[in-house]
Formats: sequence, C-alpha cells, structure tokens
Amino acid sequence: DGGITQSPKYLFRKEGQNVTLSCEQNLNHDAMYWYRQDPGQGLRLIYYSQIVNDFQKGDIAEGYSVSREKKESFPLTVTSAQKNPTAFYLCASSMKTLPNTEAFFGQGTRLTVV
Amino acid sequence: QKEVEQDPGPLSVPEGAIVSLNCTYSNSAFQYFMWYRQYSRKGPELLMYTYSSGNKEDGRFTAQVDKSSKYISLFIRDSQPSDSATYLCAMIGLGTNAGKSTFGDGTTLTVKP
Repeated sequence: DGGITQSPKYLFRKEGQNVTLSCEQNLNHDAMYWYRQDPGQGLRLIYYSQIVNDFQKGDIAEGYSVSREKKESFPLTVTSAQKNPTAFYLCASSMKTLPNTEAFFGQGTRLTVV
Repeated sequence: QKEVEQDPGPLSVPEGAIVSLNCTYSNSAFQYFMWYRQYSRKGPELLMYTYSSGNKEDGRFTAQVDKSSKYISLFIRDSQPSDSATYLCAMIGLGTNAGKSTFGDGTTLTVKP
C-alpha cells in the first residue's frame, strides 16, 4: 500500500534530550513537510523539503532540525533548544507542482516531555 | 492577524442536520482551497478541494468559495455520527505546492445519534 508512515506513535522525552521522529513515504513524492499541531490550533509548518539534500525553514523552525538524504525519508529532530516540545507532530508529502493540491499526511507522533 | 480564520466551534448537531463550516481569509493570492477531515489522534485527510468561486458537490458534501468576499464554506447534508471529526480549511497560492498550505485552526464537529 502506498502511503506515509510515521514512527513511533507515542514518544516520551526527558527535558534536555534530543529526540528524532521518523517519516517515510513510498508515494514517490518529491516534497515532504513537518507540521506541529497543538490543541485547538491548526497546523504550523516547521520544515519542508522539495528535493533530496535540500530543505527550508517553515514558520516555527527554531529548536528543530531535519535531513533529507533520501527521497523517501525526512526525519525530524526535536532538540533540547525547543522550549515547548510537547505536541502532535505530523509529516506530510505531496507532488511538487499544482494543480496537485493534495497533501498526504502520516498518522502523527505524539511527543510528551516528562 | 492570521491569514486564515476559521469558525472555532466546537459544533454539536443531531444526526441528519445540515452542517455549515466556515473560513475567511485575507490573502488575495490564495487560489486553491481545501477541506481536510481529521479524526481524533489521526493525520488529516483531504476531503475536497476547489479553485474557482462557486459550489462543488461530492455526495453529502458541498464546498463553496466566494473569492470576492474571501470566504469559503463546507456544507454537510444529512450529517452522520461518522462525520464527527475536526475539519480544517487550507489554502495555497500559485507558485506554492500542496504541502505548504496555510491552515485554519479547525472546527470540531460532533454529530449525535
């Protein structure tokens, strides 16, 4: 089945630790994205990548880092510099160009700092 | 001020009711308008998209866009308990791509049997 897979589903982190969230897609999409969703709020873009070995900051990139070494993989590292990391993290992928308007989302990773 | 404002909800309706979900936007560059449905603890999935003013129908769902008023709506007819979810409007402009949508904050809908 084609799709986008995030792991793990739930993640607990101690304060001061870095943690990496996995995102893999087999849709052959060039573009991949990371969003953060907080309760009662919409999706806020953290980082995105339109091609392998290239990525750009989104609206809330501080305290996060990414890599795009393979087309199908776009891991997100939440660093200790992120002041409020507890949130629901969503990875998405899409075709690069319009009129392909659909973004395909993974099932999310819920990160809790303990 | 946010570029996309969505009616906050939550919204609770009886089964069979007609539901109206609404978003306004301020950026004239937005040309494509999407509605995503998100079930609890899941990722959003695309429900409908449109790029022209007017109505687009798909089964019990109708997406309406009024570019002159910068206003979009999603109507759900004969609502079902399975429609209970959070609905997110999303918009993109020419020159951007789907994943860089600007999202509303979502409206949580509960349809009671």
